[in-house]
Amino acid sequence: GAGVSQSPRYKVAKRGQDVALRCDPISGHVSLFWYQQALGQGPEFLTYFQNEAQLDKSGLPSDRFFAERPEGSVSTLKIQRTQQEDSAVYLCASSPLAGVYEQYFGPGTRLTVT
Amino acid sequence: GENVEQHPSTLSVQEGDSAVIKCTYSDSASNYFPWYKQELGKRPQLIIDIRSNVGEKKDQRIAVTLNKTAKHFSLHITETQPEDSAVYFCAALSGTYKYIFGTGTRLKVLA
Repeated sequence: GAGVSQSPRYKVAKRGQDVALRCDPISGHVSLFWYQQALGQGPEFLTYFQNEAQLDKSGLPSDRFFAERPEGSVSTLKIQRTQQEDSAVYLCASSPLAGVYEQYFGPGTRLTVT
Repeated sequence: GENVEQHPSTLSVQEGDSAVIKCTYSDSASNYFPWYKQELGKRPQLIIDIRSNVGEKKDQRIAVTLNKTAKHFSLHITETQPEDSAVYFCAALSGTYKYIFGTGTRLKVLA
């Protein structure tokens, strides 16, 4: 079946612009995660949804970052007033449930802020 | 906060040799440890995982060992092939849902 998809795959934004990154999880997956992966680093947790409820947003770097999953399927990560330090790959992952289950990753969105 | 340390950061081996990547975790309550392989520009993909009630798990050329006392786990790849070249990430489950990832190991298998 279809895996996790993300769009756009690449995004270039001028400093100060707002961006929106989309994640389509595997159908039926309850849990959805967003990660930030800086160059040469491992993915770092940003936020976690169980269905439409955002249960943990402790990893969001600042209040410029906002995520939503209004109907418990597609999720959007929004970054307002982008800064150069926001440049990274943003990965989305989904799993049937949280915990001791494989997280299936999307291909990521590479954000470059100029 | 919780963290996972991973070593080495880069590893070069001759084709056919073995490769070992080591990780140490800080959360003594962690009970699940997945390993992901990420090829250049691709998504991370799970290659093997181990739960805390098991000391070792093997899947063909790949094995993972876990030492809960030392809070240490390792990935072993035998008979390496050029297609094993990638970045490998270990992770530990902290709490009920959060993966804490290591910083990655870039493995190069030289033909």
